[in-house]
Amino acid sequence: DVKVTQSSRYLVKRTGEKVFLECVQDMDHENMFWYRQDPGLGLRLIYFSYDVKMKEKGDIPEGYSVSREKKERFSLILESASTNQTSMYLCATNRESNQPQHFGDGTRLSIL
Amino acid sequence: AQSVTQLDSHVSVSEGTPVLLRCNYSSSYSPSLFWYVQHPNKGLQLLLKYTSAATLVKGINGFEAEFKKSETSFHLTKPSAHMSDAAEYFCVVSVLGWAAGNKLTFGGGTRVLVKP
Repeated sequence: DVKVTQSSRYLVKRTGEKVFLECVQDMDHENMFWYRQDPGLGLRLIYFSYDVKMKEKGDIPEGYSVSREKKERFSLILESASTNQTSMYLCATNRESNQPQHFGDGTRLSIL
Repeated sequence: AQSVTQLDSHVSVSEGTPVLLRCNYSSSYSPSLFWYVQHPNKGLQLLLKYTSAATLVKGINGFEAEFKKSETSFHLTKPSAHMSDAAEYFCVVSVLGWAAGNKLTFGGGTRVLVKP
């Protein structure tokens, strides 16, 4: 089974802080994704990466950046956290385009 | 462009009765379709997938879905609901090829309540 591990289940940070969310996968998948999930809005794609050091913007990249220095690790960075970034963040991976994505358990982030 | 509409935001069923979750999609290309389930405070788990093989797809935990191209639908069913089926369900469409940006498009979700 694919294992996607997000470093924190719950995180509380303050406005203006730089926040790092980490995701690690153990299946040598090429593609990794970051989503945020909000009530009534479903899942929205923030960024994705199809190879080491490669990244593509998703639907809502503003206020976020990403880093993929190693194949197994994909980091989401909130450059200067704001209260409207309070959300559930989900990491996902797949081996090829059009294959099912495998999700981590999510990080519930609160920005105070 | 692609989109997914889940026709019911909430569904309530009694334990032991059938479950039907409705999903309609639109896509300019041949889609792949998925159903995911999310239990409280957990990530999304794949229930089943359609990738242009058989139109009736069987998944885990007794769920199945039928792809109907003429109706652009991919409804999820289960003959007999169990208490553990209480969760949120997402219908998802994916379009082949990098022109589509390797992105999934999610429906808004259907929350299922199972009454004893």
